[in-house]
Amino acid sequence: DIVMTQTPLSLSVAIGQSASISCKSSQSLKYSDGKTYLNWVFQSPGQSPKRLIYQVSKLDSGVPDRFSGTGSETDFTLKISRVEAEDLGVYYCCQGSYSPYTFGAGTKLELK
Amino acid sequence: QVQLKESGPGLVQPSQTLSLTCTVSGFSLTSYHVSWVRQPPGKGLEWMGVIWTGGSTAYNSLLKSRLSISRDTSKSQVFLKMNSLQTEDTATYYCARDYHYWGQGVMVTVSS
Repeated sequence: DIVMTQTPLSLSVAIGQSASISCKSSQSLKYSDGKTYLNWVFQSPGQSPKRLIYQVSKLDSGVPDRFSGTGSETDFTLKISRVEAEDLGVYYCCQGSYSPYTFGAGTKLELK
Repeated sequence: QVQLKESGPGLVQPSQTLSLTCTVSGFSLTSYHVSWVRQPPGKGLEWMGVIWTGGSTAYNSLLKSRLSISRDTSKSQVFLKMNSLQTEDTATYYCARDYHYWGQGVMVTVSS
């Protein structure tokens, strides 16, 4: 199974600062169709998860452009510029390229 | 609009079988695959399995001996059955489409 390793597991930021989360997969996530099915999912306390980014860098509708995703093959990054209070919660990377699909352990974004 | 809703018992006895239903609306199960994801209290997301548009399935390697996912396309329902439940299976169980649309989740406690 593909292992997704996120770092850091916890991140303290001040409102208005930027944040960056790394996600590394144990093998390339590039699928045979040429696409890379790497998603970023966000969960605020007590809520269902919500997808922010799919296929590495494509923002879901309604997601602010403060969020961006980059990377390829095995190394991926989620960046949040100008963190706002509503961004606090847990971020997960998850791969949908090869079954069984897998999640990273999650990165908790907290207020400094 | 796209909606998913999980239903099932809130309490299951150890060694018994868990049966959950995910009722979807706004899309067809023959056009989109649906995954089950669970989250133990205070912990991260764990992908459990998926039923694809053609009806085939794939499962988390650690759960596959206990887990079965099926569907009734005429009723727009996806079913999860997991046997030999233990206290470690206490979690909120979600169904999700593409990780983009999620149900509200159903909390299941395994206890005698």
